[in-house]
Amino acid sequence: DAGVTQSPTHLIKTRGQQVTLRCSPKSGHDTVSWYQQALGQGPQFIFQYYEEEERQRGNFPDRFSGHQFPNYSSELNVNALLLGDSALYLCASSLRNTGELFFGEGSRLTVL
Amino acid sequence: GESVGLHLPTLSVQEGDNSIINCAYSNSASDYFIWYKQESGKGPQFIIDIRSNMDKRQGQRVTVLLNKTVKHLSLQIAATQPGDSAVYFCAENKGTGYSTLTFGKGTMLLVSP
Repeated sequence: DAGVTQSPTHLIKTRGQQVTLRCSPKSGHDTVSWYQQALGQGPQFIFQYYEEEERQRGNFPDRFSGHQFPNYSSELNVNALLLGDSALYLCASSLRNTGELFFGEGSRLTVL
Repeated sequence: GESVGLHLPTLSVQEGDNSIINCAYSNSASDYFIWYKQESGKGPQFIIDIRSNMDKRQGQRVTVLLNKTVKHLSLQIAATQPGDSAVYFCAENKGTGYSTLTFGKGTMLLVSP
């Protein structure tokens, strides 16, 4: 049973570029949440997708957007990258927005 | 503002000792609390959770205590092992769905053999 998988694991971008990160939820899960974890900090909630719609959003600008596909996988897009966007981006899945969150290993984004 | 924070950034213990990691929260509306373990280069891993109608919950070698009077949460690890070395986060949920967690900054636990 595959857990939450994310790709790519590492990537480097320059300021102003755009990035897309991908996530496949744990088998049987239908809800995907994205978190940003800066170095030395706890994860911060970005947004959550359920039934292909953004259901809840944290305190992140509109440069951060996402999508959920019919197979429950999800993408996180960040436009106009800033140096401060450098972080580990974590995807977490759950079932119907209840119960335990299962996290992936994350995508490490470095913005130069 | 609302926050979940930890008192100690680093905790060093000897193998076999009991470890206690503390966490303070400020939102009295939070009704669900979770402890996560994060090893270097990995995503957070669920350890144990507790709901606000409880004050203690035990798992395998771990116990979580919740004191709502002083808004304090603690994680006790019995017979700490080198494999327990990691960063530990407490997280709270404010009843808006269990996927939307507010995390503290974390405590690094270092276990010496």
